[in-house]
Amino acid sequence: EDKVVQSPLSLVVHEGDTVTLNCSYEVTNFRSLLWYKQEKKAPTFLFMLTSSGIEKKSGRLSSILDKKELFSILNITATQTGDSAVYLCAAPLSGTYKYIFGTGTRLKVLA
Amino acid sequence: SAVISQKPSRDICQRGTSLTIQCQVDSQVTMMFWYRQQPGQSLTLIATANQGSEATYESGFVIDKFPISRPNLTFSTLTVSNMSPEDSSIYLCSVTAGGPNEQFFGPGTRLTVL
Repeated sequence: EDKVVQSPLSLVVHEGDTVTLNCSYEVTNFRSLLWYKQEKKAPTFLFMLTSSGIEKKSGRLSSILDKKELFSILNITATQTGDSAVYLCAAPLSGTYKYIFGTGTRLKVLA
Repeated sequence: SAVISQKPSRDICQRGTSLTIQCQVDSQVTMMFWYRQQPGQSLTLIATANQGSEATYESGFVIDKFPISRPNLTFSTLTVSNMSPEDSSIYLCSVTAGGPNEQFFGPGTRLTVL
């Protein structure tokens, strides 16, 4: 059965800290892995990863995929209170446009 | 990317009633998806809505409870029927745009059933 598992489930850090969020997956005919940030209701798209070892970067956020070990990490450096959110990873299911989501990591950044 | 709007943004409803949620996209898309996110949970796919055909429902979701319409390539509705407090969730529509691997979400509808 396909699955996406995130860890930790929740995390509390102080401003300026660096955090690493983990996403492991078992998806038949894996195509890609996506990261989203969910602050209130709608998940907003962060990254899409398809190739191993190629880091995607946007400001203080970066992400990388390891297709051999079947996981991805999302790094946030110099965290700010505005980074507080639930971070979701997701993967499309084989032969479909349907996505399976992880349970998310709830990040809280304290001032 | 795609710009997606949803109405209503939130609602509080009485048990036994029904609510219809609308989803509008700024471009034509083949498939639209409806998700539910119960409190503290991740996103669960309810159904895939294709224009011109019946929606395809995931295991655990049935048309009588969640009827879906897809009258054209930019619009869809999801109705939550005969609501109970267990239906209190965020409901999200989404589309794939810019390629089959990228999925974008509407702003969501927060539903509370009393």
